[in-house]
Amino acid sequence: ILNVEQSPQSLHVQEGDSTNFTCSFPSSNFYALHWYRWETAKSPEALFVMTLNGDEKKKGRISATLNTKEGYSYLYIKGSQPEDSATYLCAHRAGGTSYGKLTFGQGTILTVHP
Amino acid sequence: GAGVSQSPSNKVTEKGKDVELRCDPISGHTALYWYRQSLGQGLEFLIYFQGNSAPDKSGLPSDRFSAERTGGSVSTLTIQRTQQEDSAVYLCASSGERLNYGYTFGSGTRLTVV
Repeated sequence: ILNVEQSPQSLHVQEGDSTNFTCSFPSSNFYALHWYRWETAKSPEALFVMTLNGDEKKKGRISATLNTKEGYSYLYIKGSQPEDSATYLCAHRAGGTSYGKLTFGQGTILTVHP
Repeated sequence: GAGVSQSPSNKVTEKGKDVELRCDPISGHTALYWYRQSLGQGLEFLIYFQGNSAPDKSGLPSDRFSAERTGGSVSTLTIQRTQQEDSAVYLCASSGERLNYGYTFGSGTRLTVV
């Protein structure tokens, strides 16, 4: 994997369903993996910053896992609600001199139907 | 300020004109970033400022694009001789030096070149 890739591109679920998305990233020169939520007409909002292999983070009904050796992260939403509808972005941070720079995936657009 | 402030929120300009986009980061944040999202594309890195270090300009798409950050605070992104392909949402973000909590994004400037 040379770039950051997210799947699926879009997802429609019913209220109450649980769902998950995947982010794949380069496993070499890894420093951190970020997840953001971007609701329509708002600014992207940071959900998680993950750095260690095996990291698991949780925020309410949303959780994420990280596998740095194989270069993937999963984001899970339990019991989806309409207000979870947003674009979910992951971003890879590499080590090196420009270490603040993030490379973003294309995003997964989640729509939760009432 | 309480958040990252960008102005203007919307800008329509004629092809060939110059435009300036402004970003006022969170007070005390040492790092400032510019990204853009063109229609149907992911977030594309443009430029990154960290403290007094030389900026990382590796993402600027052409020499028509330039940015400066005065006094370690406010930043201006200038696009000269705008082209239609410059139409995008331009997002500014800031962060602490260690980026432990991710980026804080502004609400963006939607630039339309007609």
